Amino acid sequence: AQSVAQPEDQVNVAEGNPLTVKCTYSVSGNPYLFWYVQYPNRGLQFLLKYITGDNLVKGSYGFEAEFNKSQTSFHLKKPSALVSDSALYFCAVRDILNTNAGKSTFGDGTTLTVKP
Amino acid sequence: NAGVTQTPKFRVLKTGQSMTLLCAQDMNHEYMYWYRQDPGMGLRLIHYSVGEGTTAKGEVPDGYNVSRLKKQNFLLGLESAAPSQTSVYFCASIRTGGGNEQFFGPGTRLTVL
Repeated sequence: AQSVAQPEDQVNVAEGNPLTVKCTYSVSGNPYLFWYVQYPNRGLQFLLKYITGDNLVKGSYGFEAEFNKSQTSFHLKKPSALVSDSALYFCAVRDILNTNAGKSTFGDGTTLTVKP
Repeated sequence: NAGVTQTPKFRVLKTGQSMTLLCAQDMNHEYMYWYRQDPGMGLRLIHYSVGEGTTAKGEVPDGYNVSRLKKQNFLLGLESAAPSQTSVYFCASIRTGGGNEQFFGPGTRLTVL
C-alpha cells in the first residue's frame, strides 16, 4: 500500500522569506514522488519529481524538494517566496513496485499563502 | 497541443438525472484517470484505464461508470446523480507508468441539487 501525508493544511509566509511545504510518505518498495500545484479554478500542474539519483531535485518556478529516505519525507522548498506562489500544493507518491497502472496517491493538499 | 480537455466546465443536475463527462487528450497517452476533489479530502481516484477498451475501479467507484472506446477519450457517466456527487471532477493522463507525471484537465464543477 502507498500513502502520503501533508501535515499542514495551511502555510503562511511573508514575501521574500523562504517557504517549506511538508510531505511524508509510506510505500512498500521505493517511491516515485511528485509535487503538483493548483491555482484557483484550475487543474493540477506538475512542479517536480524524484525518481532516482540526486536527493535534491529542482523544478518549475524556482521550487525544489529534498528526498530524505530515512525520514520518508519529500518537503517542497523555495528560498524566496512570491505572492504569486499562493496556491494549493499536492504531494503524490507512487510505489516503484506497483507502477504498472501509473496510479499515484495524493495528499490532502496544503494551502500556501504568501503575504506582501 | 491542447493537452487534456474536459467538457463541460460546469453543470447543475437534479437528483436522479444522468450525465456524461468527457475527457480528451491529444498526447497519445496510454493511461487515463478520473478523480474527484472535495474540500479537505485531496484527490480521490474514481476509475482509471490503462488502454483503449480497458477500465478499472479506483478508490471511490460507486455511482459512476466509465468507458474508453477510443484511446484519446475517457468518459465518466453518472446514471442517477445524488447530492453526494457534488464535487469537482478532474481527468488526468500519463504516457505510461513508471516515473512519469500526470497531466490534468481544467476540471468540471458539478452540483447536484
